[in-house]
Amino acid sequence: NAGVTQTPKFRVLKTGQSMTLLCAQDMNHEYMYWYRQDPGMGLRLIHYSVGEGTTAKGEVPDGYNVSRLKKQNFLLGLESAAPSQTSVYFCASSRFQQAGDTEAFFGQGTRLTVV
Amino acid sequence: AQSVAQPEDQVNVAEGNPLTVKCTYSVSGNPYLFWYVQYPNRGLQFLLKYITGDNLVKGSYGFEAEFNKSQTSFHLKKPSALVSDSALYFCAVRSLYNTDKLIFGTGTRLQVFP
Repeated sequence: NAGVTQTPKFRVLKTGQSMTLLCAQDMNHEYMYWYRQDPGMGLRLIHYSVGEGTTAKGEVPDGYNVSRLKKQNFLLGLESAAPSQTSVYFCASSRFQQAGDTEAFFGQGTRLTVV
Repeated sequence: AQSVAQPEDQVNVAEGNPLTVKCTYSVSGNPYLFWYVQYPNRGLQFLLKYITGDNLVKGSYGFEAEFNKSQTSFHLKKPSALVSDSALYFCAVRSLYNTDKLIFGTGTRLQVFP
């Protein structure tokens, strides 16, 4: 049972390059999230999705785009990477909740460095 | 808007002593509250949650948390700390009125000394 899998685990980019981070979950969850983790800042929500074909902005969406073409996958794109986007990125998923009471499951993270 | 505050960057405690990691929240309506733990170079793991009912909730690894509505707090506790409890702890909240977003605090590093 893989749970939430992130690809790649590490990446170094040059300023201005683009890349896509892939998140895949095998739990048939409706909700998926992308967070970034920075020292002293905790986890900040970048974008999220409440179902296939839908996405929404979180707390820090600027400089990122996302797509949810398939229910099990949630892609995070950086069109033109900047050093400020150096961070550890986490993907999470949770099942549909009418009451909001379900916990999220996290991937292992992607460490991105932009030089 | 939803928000979570973890006022302590680090908590130090001796092994065998009780520990408390503090969390306060701000949401519209009833909150759904969660605690997660992160070990080095790992993703976050769910510890426990408060949805409704008993204000004291029990979770994994002997942890528990107390919900206090009047103080808008959800402090994480353990009666007797272990060295292996040393990790980064995150509090998170969802609002009844906006269940889509799961918002995290800045995290508290727990260091348990032998």
